[in-house]
Amino acid sequence: DVKVTQSSRYLVKRTGEKVFLECVQDMDHENMFWYRQDPGLGLRLIYFSYDVKMKEKGDIPEGYSVSREKKERFSLILESASTNQTSMYLCASSFRGQGYTFGSGTRLTVV
Amino acid sequence: AQSVAQPEDQVNVAEGNPLTVKCTYSVSGNPYLFWYVQYPNRGLQFLLKYITGDNLVKGSYGFEAEFNKSQTSFHLKKPSALVSDSALYFCAVRGYGNKLVFGAGTILRVKS
Repeated sequence: DVKVTQSSRYLVKRTGEKVFLECVQDMDHENMFWYRQDPGLGLRLIYFSYDVKMKEKGDIPEGYSVSREKKERFSLILESASTNQTSMYLCASSFRGQGYTFGSGTRLTVV
Repeated sequence: AQSVAQPEDQVNVAEGNPLTVKCTYSVSGNPYLFWYVQYPNRGLQFLLKYITGDNLVKGSYGFEAEFNKSQTSFHLKKPSALVSDSALYFCAVRGYGNKLVFGAGTILRVKS
């Protein structure tokens, strides 16, 4: 089975800190995604990547950036964390849109 | 643009009764549709998908979904609900660039 691993389950960071959320998948998938999940809003796409060094903005990219230097790793970066970025962050990977596998999520709290 | 609507924030059902979680979609072209389940403080788990073929799709844990093109719906169903089915359910449609567009989610509560 495809495994998507997010490095942290829970994080607490201070306002203004630079935050890195790491995601690694082990099945050579081209596509990787970062979503954030908020109650009543479902999942909203922040960024996605369809290959190494490729990235595209999703629906809510403001305040975020991403890095994909290797195929298996897709990092989400909060350049200067703010309290409105407190959320659940979910990483996913897929093979040509046929199947999507999600990580367990990182619950980030910015204080 | 693609979109998904889950009209019910919460569905309550008694254990042993059939359940339905509703989903409607809007997409240009042929839809790729998905259902996921999320348990508390966990990621999303895949239940089933419709790409082409039979309108009734069978998935994990006894769930199935019925694709209805004329009504643009993809409702999730199970003949007999279990308390352990209680969770948050998301419907999604595949959009541009193989990205998924999700509904807001429906909380399913199964009471014994």
